[in-house]
Amino acid sequence: DGGITQSPKYLFRKEGQNVTLSCEQNLNHDAMYWYRQDPGQGLRLIYYSQIVNDFQKGDIAEGYSVSREKKESFPLTVTSAQKNPTAFYLCASSPGFWGGALTSYNEQFFGPGTRLTVL
Amino acid sequence: AQSVSQHNHHVILSEAASLELGCNYSYGGTVNLFWYVQYPGQHLQLLLKYFSGDPLVKGIKGFEAEFIKSKFSFNLRKPSVQWSDTAEYFCAVSSNFGNEKLTFGTGTRLTIIP
Repeated sequence: DGGITQSPKYLFRKEGQNVTLSCEQNLNHDAMYWYRQDPGQGLRLIYYSQIVNDFQKGDIAEGYSVSREKKESFPLTVTSAQKNPTAFYLCASSPGFWGGALTSYNEQFFGPGTRLTVL
Repeated sequence: AQSVSQHNHHVILSEAASLELGCNYSYGGTVNLFWYVQYPGQHLQLLLKYFSGDPLVKGIKGFEAEFIKSKFSFNLRKPSVQWSDTAEYFCAVSSNFGNEKLTFGTGTRLTIIP
């Protein structure tokens, strides 16, 4: 089955600790994204990567870090610098400009999400 | 920077009622437009999209949306809703210059009463 997996589904962390959320895709997509979803605020982009070994900050990157060492993997670290980390985190991927058709290169596919709670 | 507005935060309808959810965007150039749906406990999934051509786009489960360029709008419609349409709906926009990023609206929660 092709798709995006995120683990774990629920994550609890103590204040002051860093935590890493996993995102893996087997769709052979070039581009991957991390969003944060809070009630009433929609999806806000944290980081995105258009190609392996490259990534850019989104709208709310402060307190987060990412890496893109493999095409299929895009882990997100929530650091202790993130002031309000409790949220639902969504990972997504898209074929990418060089990997997809002109009418679908930026169509994003989403994982099931990870709910992070800071205690 | 582009932005998306969804003015209806929570809509409550009875089954068989007609639905229209508003979506307005602010970007002067060519855009790609999307509606995504998040059913309770499920992944966010694509409902329909507009890239070019016919401004009336048909999606899954009887949904459609009309791109009105002069109004910067991409409203979602369904003539007769079902209880199973209860979900959260997100409008998203991407500028059409090889830009893979999507900007999402804040979402509209739709509750259908049987």
